[in-house]
Amino acid sequence: DAGVTQSPTHLIKTRGQQVTLRCSPISGHKSVSWYQQVLGQGPQFIFQYYEKEERGRGNFPDRFSARQFPNYSSELNVNALLLGDSALYLCASSFLENEAFFGQGTRLTVV
Amino acid sequence: AQRVTQPEKLLSVFKGAPVELKCNYSYSGSPELFWYVQYSRQRLQLLLRHISRESIKGFTADLNKGETSFHLKKPFAQEEDSAMYYCALSGRDGGTSYGKLTFGQGTILTVHP
Repeated sequence: DAGVTQSPTHLIKTRGQQVTLRCSPISGHKSVSWYQQVLGQGPQFIFQYYEKEERGRGNFPDRFSARQFPNYSSELNVNALLLGDSALYLCASSFLENEAFFGQGTRLTVV
Repeated sequence: AQRVTQPEKLLSVFKGAPVELKCNYSYSGSPELFWYVQYSRQRLQLLLRHISRESIKGFTADLNKGETSFHLKKPFAQEEDSAMYYCALSGRDGGTSYGKLTFGQGTILTVHP
């Protein structure tokens, strides 16, 4: 098993643009969570999806949205990018509640 | 609201010395606590969780509800233990944020030869 896979690995966007990040969970995992990790800080929870339904949302603006597909993969969308959105975006999948397995992340740079 | 505090950003010890990484939490309900580790150029991975009460790579952590702490300990540090360590908490905020993990800021552990 390849583990949780995220694409792309790196991305550079301009302020005001929109970005879509993708995540494929471990086979058999139905829960996917997204985290933002700014340099020097721990990951911050953005969303959790389980069986294609949103189960949790962190303290992020409405510019952030996500969805989960029938095959349990997920996308995170960020609109109207700001410089402060530059961060490592982590995806995690779970089979059992709370035991999260993380991907390598997508490094987003907004210029 | 839930919060995790790791007071030390950096911790340096010599090989063979005991090590303790501190973690304090704030949560009104019954939390689940975890330690995650990130070795150089590797992904974040679960080291241990309090409900399993097991020792992984010689590390143990005991949940102290009275002191709201979940410190990570190892009696004899090894050079390969050098990594970033994150303490994390999972709970339900008023029934929402199911399965949400709240992380501390992390502690970089360096074990010198």
